[in-house]
Amino acid sequence: GQSLEQPSEVTAVEGAIVQINCTYQTSGFYGLSWYQQHDGGAPTFLSYNALDGLEETGRFSSFLSRSDSYGYLLLQELQMKDSASYFCAVRDHTDKLIFGTGTRLQVFP
Amino acid sequence: DTEVTQTPKHLVMGMTNKKSLKCEQHMGHRAMYWYKQKAKKPPELMFVYSYEKLSINESVPSRFSPECPNSSLLNLHLHALQPEDSALYLCASSQDTSGSGETQYFGPGTRLLVL
Repeated sequence: GQSLEQPSEVTAVEGAIVQINCTYQTSGFYGLSWYQQHDGGAPTFLSYNALDGLEETGRFSSFLSRSDSYGYLLLQELQMKDSASYFCAVRDHTDKLIFGTGTRLQVFP
Repeated sequence: DTEVTQTPKHLVMGMTNKKSLKCEQHMGHRAMYWYKQKAKKPPELMFVYSYEKLSINESVPSRFSPECPNSSLLNLHLHALQPEDSALYLCASSQDTSGSGETQYFGPGTRLLVL
């Protein structure tokens, strides 16, 4: 079967750094994406890693290790507005985007 | 313009009703998707249209009927739904379904309640 596992919940305070992990087992792999979804909102694309290593986009960075079937999203200088659910996603060999179980991030003042 | 629009935002329908959800994008994307999302769960893929043709149907019950009238529009026709079909229905689009389709742009969704 296909699975992308994430921690269900992470909490942190403003200004802190938090890492959200994703381990995957999928039939085919073309890269790891990350999406953010605020309560009542739509998922929005954050980042994509096709190759091993770290990709940085402002306060957010994403890492991939294909040999370990593992990736993470790193959020720095946390702000209250970062409180949301975060999903990793993998496109499988049938071109479907498979979403991870999701991590709810709560940022406290 | 990187916007996907969906109407209506909210929909309440009875089990005998027929209704349609609409989705529109003007980004020139050739792949469009319908997802269903339950509370605190990830989006679940329902259908994929690639170049206006249905390419993936994730064994969705026939009471959900997708339609792609043109490259910018995607509809989801609903008939004889069940209460367990209540969910957020998300439309998304991407350039295509290959490598460049990694980035999907989601609409705000239609929150559906079936009574």
